[in-house]
This record gives sequence, structure tokens and C-alpha cells, in this order.
Amino acid sequence: QSALTQPASVSGSPGQSITISCTGSHIGDGTYDLVSWYQHHAGKAPKVLIFEGNKRPSGISQRFSASQSGNTASLTISGLQIDDEADYYCCSYTGFYVFGSGTKVTVL
Amino acid sequence: QVHLQESGPGLVKPSETLSLICTVPDGVISSHYWSWIRQPPGKGLEWIGYSHYTGSTTYNPSLKSRLRLSVDASENKFSLKLSSVTAADTGIYFCARTRGDWLDSWGQGILVTVSS
Repeated sequence: QSALTQPASVSGSPGQSITISCTGSHIGDGTYDLVSWYQHHAGKAPKVLIFEGNKRPSGISQRFSASQSGNTASLTISGLQIDDEADYYCCSYTGFYVFGSGTKVTVL
Repeated sequence: QVHLQESGPGLVKPSETLSLICTVPDGVISSHYWSWIRQPPGKGLEWIGYSHYTGSTTYNPSLKSRLRLSVDASENKFSLKLSSVTAADTGIYFCARTRGDWLDSWGQGILVTVSS
């Protein structure tokens, strides 16, 4: 299973936009293209933000968007809010699920 | 999305078997695959495996030799059994519904500590 690398931390001020990257050698080669993104507040159930690369489940704010270029998937949070402070994980699936290393988002 | 709830002992002795159950609402358990994920203290998420009521399972290769997942459709529950545990198996264990390439519903998680 290929590892997925994320920055350990990203920070921003309220209202700003931030982007979290997720790099894996197999992303974009047709085997690890199905990337999903999860938000996790400690003590709560993780929540899916993005599936199949760039689709948002019902109820997820349009402030969360995702894209992919080469071997990197990216999650962008626009209009950063205090409640966005959490851990974020990318995940790829090819019969096995592989999670990224996780990124702690801090709202300054 | 559906509400999932993990249950089981919070403390397991080294070398023993960790057993957890996830309860699912009526009417959905036969329609999906069901996953377990864990988070060691201070670390990220690790997928453990998933199971289906037909008996089909897929395991994380790193845990396969110690792992058994199953689904009891009559009880609306699915379960995890991890044998020969060590301190490295300490962490929060989550259950989740599998929807193809994504996990759409998660439980809140249960902390399991391996200690004598």
C-alpha cells in the first residue's frame, strides 16, 4: 500500500483560504484516483467532506473543495471559520483504504 | 448517513483478544460493507479492514494474521476480534459504513487500552 503524505500542520486566519496537499506516488496513475477527505474533531466521529476526488456529500459546505494535479490531491477550505480547526485526512481506495498522515488545521 | 455505535471493553490485557461490536440501525446492514479504523494515541488513522454479511472480508495486510471481522445481520451488528494484542494496539477504534471508495458514516469511536 502506498503512503499518502500530508503537511503536519496548516494555519490561517478567519475568512482566509487554506489548502492541504496529499501526495502519493500512485495518485493520478489510474490506481489511486479515488481520493476522499475527512474532517476529525477530537472526541467526535470523523466526517467525510469529499468523495471520488471532488464530490461533496449532501450537507457539506461549498467552502470545502478538492482538486488533483499529477500525484497530488488537494483540499481547499475557503472562508476559514473557527469550527474548521480540526484534523484532516485524505484517503485513497483500491480495494484497500490508505489514509494520509493527517494535517492539523489551526485557525489563528 | 446512519448512526453507528461502538461498544466493548476499554481495557484488554497483553496477549489477549480485543473484541468490539458496532451496532447499526435496522434495515441497512445487509446492503453495505462495514469497516473498522483505528487511531493510536497522537497518531493518524489506520484502516483495519471491512466485512459483509455474506462473509466476504478484506483485511489490512499488516493485521491480517491476528484479525477476524464478521457481520451478524440478525442482530444488526458487526464485530472485530484482534488477537494477541500488545501496547501498540492501544487507540481509538472507529466503525464506519463503506460506500465504495469512501466511508460515509462513522461512529464516535471507543478507546481501547492494552495494559496489564
